[in-house]
Amino acid sequence: DARVTQTPRHKVTEMGQEVTMRCQPILGHNTVFWYRQTMMQGLELLAYFRNRAPLDDSGMPKDRFSAEMPDATLATLKIQPSEPRDSAVYFCASGRDLKTDTQYFGPGTRLTVL
Amino acid sequence: GENVEQHPSTLSVQEGDSAVIKCTYSDSASNYFPWYKQELGKGPQLIIDIRSNVGEKKDQRIAVTLNKTAKHFSLHITETQPEDSAVYFCAATANTGGFKTIFGAGTRLFVKA
Repeated sequence: DARVTQTPRHKVTEMGQEVTMRCQPILGHNTVFWYRQTMMQGLELLAYFRNRAPLDDSGMPKDRFSAEMPDATLATLKIQPSEPRDSAVYFCASGRDLKTDTQYFGPGTRLTVL
Repeated sequence: GENVEQHPSTLSVQEGDSAVIKCTYSDSASNYFPWYKQELGKGPQLIIDIRSNVGEKKDQRIAVTLNKTAKHFSLHITETQPEDSAVYFCAATANTGGFKTIFGAGTRLFVKA
């Protein structure tokens, strides 16, 4: 049963620290999405990649957030420096391609910034 | 900006009854409409989806209907069971010259045994 995996599952850090979240998409999927979920804003698309190339990161605060795909099996989302308002659950999702649209979500990383 | 409105925000039904969740979207370019179920501590999981060239789709106890003219789509769950209790999200995706998915705010469904 192929699944998207995310690490860490939980992260507590202090304001100003760097946070790195990792995602392993389902093997063979060539699109990767990063979402943020909060009670106030719901699910927000931060960025997405196709064949490891970033296609759109307009949902991401550019000054502190960065997303990369070093290889086809790893996607990373970094926050530097982190702020309390970044506290949320961050989800990674992968898909076969943009045209088929179906996204498969990972279990998420719950981030708390103190 | 574009948005997806979802109602109700909370829904409580008796086991065996039906549940209906409705969504309205604003982006006329939207052509794909998935529904996700999210259980506590887990990521959203796709339960059913529909494309703009189809008016209705059914999968066992779950069905989705789409009215493109009115920009409405709905999720119907029949013969609800306690394990259907979760948060349900609708989404609208525009995949023309780019990619944009907007999620509804979610509906918390309680199925009482």
